Amino acid sequence: DPKIIQKPKYLVAVTGSEKILICEQYLGHNAMYWYRQSAKKPLEFMFSYSYQKLMDNQTASSRFQPQSSKKNHLDLQITALKPDDSATYFCASSQEGANYAEQFFGPGTRLTVL
Amino acid sequence: GDSVTQTEGQVTVSESKSLIINCTYSATSIAYPNLFWYVRYPGEGLQLLLKVITAGQKGSSRGFEATYNKETTSFHLQKASVQESDSAVYYCAHRNNYAQGLTFGLGTRVSVFP
Repeated sequence: DPKIIQKPKYLVAVTGSEKILICEQYLGHNAMYWYRQSAKKPLEFMFSYSYQKLMDNQTASSRFQPQSSKKNHLDLQITALKPDDSATYFCASSQEGANYAEQFFGPGTRLTVL
Repeated sequence: GDSVTQTEGQVTVSESKSLIINCTYSATSIAYPNLFWYVRYPGEGLQLLLKVITAGQKGSSRGFEATYNKETTSFHLQKASVQESDSAVYYCAHRNNYAQGLTFGLGTRVSVFP
């Protein structure tokens, strides 16, 4: 059974629209993250949450807003979409406080903005 | 900012030959570095291969080894004898602060042919 679920798997949007990427983890972890990977670029850390509180934000744009309605959910709302937002977005989770704090990754949502 | 540099592009190697993927990192703080190798096999998600958190420590998994060298800030991945099943994309990653995300390299695609 998948431990980290991301929905949808693929997403196509038009410039200027708004989309929400869904992430749920069933690992019992207390920390969740969002990463983005654009073409020819490394995986780039965006946000980290711990116990549903924002811990770190490395995203310059306020168009990206994480939303945590439940302990095991961390959705990502993206407004005023631009073609440059096209990327695969990965959700991850970890158990902070444990040794190593290994991060487990979801399968990703591939977003294409036309 | 933090960065990770690893062997670029694609590496092609014959089965049973040795493999080394270079990785060096640069960090604003090296107080508590965590170093990781992640792997993405064809059709699968990103998963942890091995990890170390102490200078001089060696991590190992599935025949792969990597030693954290604090002096050279390196964490090269090696395997003495590769198999076709090792064909994958390998990512070096670094994390140096609590509750922050990982900094990834670009990834190295390894193709093992019989």
